[in-house]
Amino acid sequence: GAVVSQHPSRVICKSGTSVKIECRSLDFQATTMFWYRQFPKQSLMLMATSNEGSKATYEQGVEKDKFLINHASLTLSTLTVTSAHPEDSSFYICSARDRVFSYEQYFGPGTRLTVT
Amino acid sequence: TQLLEQSPQFLSIQEGENLTVYCNSSSVFSSLQWYRQEPGEGPVLLVTVVTGGEVKKLKRLTFQFGDARKDSSLHITAAQPGDTGLYLCAGEGLTGGGNKLTFGTGTQLKVEL
Repeated sequence: GAVVSQHPSRVICKSGTSVKIECRSLDFQATTMFWYRQFPKQSLMLMATSNEGSKATYEQGVEKDKFLINHASLTLSTLTVTSAHPEDSSFYICSARDRVFSYEQYFGPGTRLTVT
Repeated sequence: TQLLEQSPQFLSIQEGENLTVYCNSSSVFSSLQWYRQEPGEGPVLLVTVVTGGEVKKLKRLTFQFGDARKDSSLHITAAQPGDTGLYLCAGEGLTGGGNKLTFGTGTQLKVEL
């Protein structure tokens, strides 16, 4: 149980284009999903908290107009990187909090974004 | 801002050795989790500790939550090459942070034959 998927696993895009990453909880309902960014050999940095049916809460320094988050259902959240630039290249990871076991987050496998 | 410092940052040991990873903060956490992450994959939850002073064992791994719930440790006995990976602690704040996790700085472990 407690499986979180992400799609795509890898994506390469050109500068100026937008990329959408999906995060799904496969066997549980998640009222809250989180989006993280991770640079090579570094820890995870929280970008935003996504609550189903409401606006996402962004961490300080994260541009909400650049990283659009939508949490349309209890099993799906999407992160759209708009007008991507090479510095947006990173490993993006989502996690979902189980509604029942609220203190545990389950992480997706990550999406490797490369902007050329 | 709640910060979690892990030490050591890097650790390279031989198979069969024991090791301890520390996770320290000046902040109090309602719970603390330990994850292991392999390259190109998401973190995998190892354990959650909730009560100050709590000790949990997972096969050769022993996790302890400090009495004041500000720090934690992970001890691995008789390390094996399969233990290689990035170990991350993450704390959930008491107030203000809601359900957010603050991740530690990470410990990269390499176990060699």
